[in-house]
Amino acid sequence: GAVVSQHPSRVICKSGTSVKIECRSLDFQATTMFWYRQFPKQSLMLMATSNEGSKATYEQGVEKDKFLINHASLTLSTLTVTSAHPEDSSFYICSASGSQETQYFGPGTRLLVL
Amino acid sequence: AQSVTQLGSHVSVSEGALVLLRCNYSSSVPPYLFWYVQYPNQGLQLLLKYTSAATLVKGINGFEAEFKKSETSFHLTKPSAHMSDAAEYFCAVSFQAGTALIFGKGTTLSVSS
Repeated sequence: GAVVSQHPSRVICKSGTSVKIECRSLDFQATTMFWYRQFPKQSLMLMATSNEGSKATYEQGVEKDKFLINHASLTLSTLTVTSAHPEDSSFYICSASGSQETQYFGPGTRLLVL
Repeated sequence: AQSVTQLGSHVSVSEGALVLLRCNYSSSVPPYLFWYVQYPNQGLQLLLKYTSAATLVKGINGFEAEFKKSETSFHLTKPSAHMSDAAEYFCAVSFQAGTALIFGKGTTLSVSS
């Protein structure tokens, strides 16, 4: 089956610093990638949708200047949390979709901002 | 608006018992329906999906789900629970290939010996 990787799996950073999370589709070309955020014991909330070579579409309430998304190739999307604060601590999960309707999810990145 | 409702945030069964996790959706167009499983601190793994072919869908690990249009439901079942089935289960819907999924709130499945 299709495989999506995320790196890093876990990151701890100081308040005010920026953190970059990578999402890669390993064995297929992802025309669309999605970034979700999940708080403890809650469901996934869509943050943004990114298509290769174009600007990401952010959901209402998600600050695009704080959560920078780049989808530079058909296999790589990055999420950069700029000037991170403790309230940004969360589990970030990406998913990738090719030409079909199924989304394949990465293993997630646990971000802890101190 | 499209939405997904998972009835029961927590389901507990004994090992060997039937597993039934409920999912209802609202949609004005034919949906794509999915069940995903999430183990602690991990991403989501696709269990099965409905994409307008057979209404009874078989997935991995012995799970299956039946699409019932008249009831707008897509309940997940497994005849005999294993301890390893204990996890969080999410029902999700989309309405067009390549668009974001709308998730239910999730159901935690506990399996006791």
